[in-house]
Amino acid sequence: AQSVTQLDSHVSVSEGTPVLLRCNYSSSYSPSLFWYVQHPNKGLQLLLKYTSAATLVKGINGFEAEFKKSETSFHLTKPSAHMSDAAEYFCVVSVPSGTYKYIFGTGTRLKVLA
Amino acid sequence: EAGVAQSPRYKIIEKRQSVAFWCNPISGHATLYWYQQILGQGPKLLIQFQNNGVVDDSQLPKDRFSAERLKGVDSTLKIQPAKLEDSAVYLCASSLGARLFFGPGTRLTVL
Repeated sequence: AQSVTQLDSHVSVSEGTPVLLRCNYSSSYSPSLFWYVQHPNKGLQLLLKYTSAATLVKGINGFEAEFKKSETSFHLTKPSAHMSDAAEYFCVVSVPSGTYKYIFGTGTRLKVLA
Repeated sequence: EAGVAQSPRYKIIEKRQSVAFWCNPISGHATLYWYQQILGQGPKLLIQFQNNGVVDDSQLPKDRFSAERLKGVDSTLKIQPAKLEDSAVYLCASSLGARLFFGPGTRLTVL
């Protein structure tokens, strides 16, 4: 069975400091992995995706994530947090089984302190 | 390209009433998903369509929830009768290949 675990429900960082949001996955197949961001009262927006190409994936707004098969991890990072990064972040695993099935993590709320 | 459209954006009803949500996916996207997102939680898949056929409805509370996708394009999700615990954002998404595109969601409040 496929699953995804976001290890922190809340993360607080100071503006200008690095961001690390942790995600571990479980999959019997070679997975596709995604990070989505959800700002308050806004829709879900794709940040980046991994689909078995380069293991270091660059996304929008300076975010990137590294796929580590040995650790079954797909952590999201950003070198320097901005106030506008405050939002809820979801790690998602997808496995093709006829059509794609997407399984969401429980989310990490990022707070950026001035 | 136009995104996934949903209506209404907000709905307030009393418990035991009925409600329906509408979704128009991105043109050409064969797969359509309905998710329920309760405050503070991640989206939970309710039902997945491939064209007009149901792929997965294992988490749909079928005693009160129903969904259809006639003609394989638009979809409606209905709740009848609503319960307090149905208060959530209902998200529609469509996909082409390995990427989900989400609509803005419908926020349902059940009083």
